[in-house]
Amino acid sequence: GAVVSQHPSRVICKSGTSVKIECRSLDFQATTMFWYRQFPKQSLMLMATSNEGSKATYEQGVEKDKFLINHASLTLSTLTVTSAHPEDSSFYICSAISGTGGYEKLFFGSGTQLSVL
Amino acid sequence: AQSVAQPEDQVNVAEGNPLTVKCTYSVSGNPYLFWYVQYPNRGLQFLLKYITGDNLVKGSYGFEAEFNKSQTSFHLKKPSALVSDSALYFCAVYSTSGTYKYIFGTGTRLKVLA
Repeated sequence: GAVVSQHPSRVICKSGTSVKIECRSLDFQATTMFWYRQFPKQSLMLMATSNEGSKATYEQGVEKDKFLINHASLTLSTLTVTSAHPEDSSFYICSAISGTGGYEKLFFGSGTQLSVL
Repeated sequence: AQSVAQPEDQVNVAEGNPLTVKCTYSVSGNPYLFWYVQYPNRGLQFLLKYITGDNLVKGSYGFEAEFNKSQTSFHLKKPSALVSDSALYFCAVYSTSGTYKYIFGTGTRLKVLA
């Protein structure tokens, strides 16, 4: 099946620094990728939809300038948490669609646990 | 408003017994329904989906789910639970009208007791 690689799996950083998370589709082209945030014991919260070659579509309440998303190729999307603060600490998960149908199943990365000190 | 509800935060079941994890939805248009499983500190893994056709859908690891349009439900089932089935299960709906996005339930933690 399709594989989505997310890196790093865990990152600890100081407050005020920026952190980049990569999401790669290894064996398929993903025109659309999604970025989620998951708090402990809670569901996935969609942050943004990333389309290759165009600007990401952010969900209401998600700061575009804080969570920078770049989808420069059909196999790579990146999420940069700029000027991270402790409240940004969370589990971030990317996913990608294999295929052109919007109802295709999502393939998820293994997630990134971000801890901001 | 479109939503997915998983009414149980946790389900406990003895190994070997049948299990059910409940999911109901409220979306406009024809919903496409999914179940995913998440193990600790990992991403989600696809279990099964319903798009159209037979209301009983079979998926990975012996799981199945039954689509009930009148009750707007899509409960996940397995005839005989394994300890290794213990994980967090998410129901998701892809709306084919309006928002065209995936909506996830809050998750149900399944604990299978040996």
